[in-house]
Amino acid sequence: GAVVSQHPSRVICKSGTSVKIECRSLDFQATTMFWYRQFPKQSLMLMATSNEGSKATYEQGVEKDKFLINHASLTLSTLTVTSAHPEDSSFYICSASRLYPGQGVSDYGYTFGSGTRLTVV
Amino acid sequence: GQQLNQSPQSMFIQEGEDVSMNCTSSSIFNTWLWYKQEPGEGPVLLIALYKAGELTSNGRLTAQFGITRKDSFLNISASIPSDVGIYFCAGLGPYRDDKIIFGKGTRLHILP
Repeated sequence: GAVVSQHPSRVICKSGTSVKIECRSLDFQATTMFWYRQFPKQSLMLMATSNEGSKATYEQGVEKDKFLINHASLTLSTLTVTSAHPEDSSFYICSASRLYPGQGVSDYGYTFGSGTRLTVV
Repeated sequence: GQQLNQSPQSMFIQEGEDVSMNCTSSSIFNTWLWYKQEPGEGPVLLIALYKAGELTSNGRLTAQFGITRKDSFLNISASIPSDVGIYFCAGLGPYRDDKIIFGKGTRLHILP
């Protein structure tokens, strides 16, 4: 149980185009999804938190208009990198969490997708 | 803000040796999580700890939630080649709006 599917696993796009990354919770309802960025040999950097049906909360320094996040259902969140540039090339990872009211983190903990390697040329 | 200090940063060990890594924080956590990440993949949850003092095993892996709630360790016994990867600790604070905080990772190398 607690499987998070992320798609695509790799994408190469031209500078100036937009790329959409999908994150799906396959066997549970994710009230909260998180998007991370990871540079080579570094830890995960939280970009934004999205709750189903509401606007995402972005971390300081992350451009909202550049990284559009939509969490339209309890099983799907999308990250769109708009007008991508080479400096946006990175490994993007989503995670999903199910919260039981009043009980904190679910038994699943935070489950991660397999990541998307974005290369902007 | 909350920070996690994970050590060591990297380890080079012989196959069969035991491994120990830890994370410490200046603030308390309600949950400690240990993940392993392999190249080109997302982190995979190894062990989750929810109570101070809790000691949990997953095969050859054992992790403990420190009594002070400010630290956790992960041990791997009798290491094998497939243990190679980056191990991350992560903590979640006690407040509803707290976000998971990651350590910087311990890169494990196993010498033949």
